[in-house]
Amino acid sequence: SAVISQKPSRDICQRGTSLTIQCQVDSQVTMMFWYRQQPGQSLTLIATANQGSEATYESGFVIDKFPISRPNLTFSTLTVSNMSPEDSSIYLCSGDGEAGATYNEQFFGPGTRLTVL
Amino acid sequence: AQRVTQPEKLLSVFKGAPVELKCNYSYSGSPELFWYVQYSRQRLQLLLRHISRESIKGFTADLNKGETSFHLKKPFAQEEDSAMYYCALFTGANSKLTFGKGITLSVRP
Repeated sequence: SAVISQKPSRDICQRGTSLTIQCQVDSQVTMMFWYRQQPGQSLTLIATANQGSEATYESGFVIDKFPISRPNLTFSTLTVSNMSPEDSSIYLCSGDGEAGATYNEQFFGPGTRLTVL
Repeated sequence: AQRVTQPEKLLSVFKGAPVELKCNYSYSGSPELFWYVQYSRQRLQLLLRHISRESIKGFTADLNKGETSFHLKKPFAQEEDSAMYYCALFTGANSKLTFGKGITLSVRP
């Protein structure tokens, strides 16, 4: 299974600023995903990050607010732009299996805990 | 549209008691279902997948297409099973996982 790391692990930011979260996978994965998880709540998919094309955003999430990069098969970034306190959450990165993997589960990073003041 | 329903938010049992965490799904295609677990201060991790028909840490889950259910069961709960459990549905059309709201399992000594 892929091992996923995220940086930073946590941050406290001022409203109006932006934060870029990095996600690194130790093997090549076809798809990478970005989620938001409120403490004790379920995961909400923000977007799917595809290499070589624009990310696919879910309803309620837009590229101007959450720009995503996917420069290669092992790395992705999510930027939370013009932050407000409502953006305080845990942001999770995940990847699916290596190309040709038997199963369709996803593997998750440890999360980035963001607090916006 | 696909949906995963976990009707309960919290289940509290004593050590050694049986556990059943409920999960129902709605999907027009052929479902592929998973249970994920998140222990305190740890990352979300895969517990088991229906397609493997496996038992992990004493947990099993059987896909019942007639009842559109994928309940997670364990005959004798242990304190270390205390965690947040999420049921997830894979939809092949867009490679997404749809998660249920999750349930907190608390196993008391």
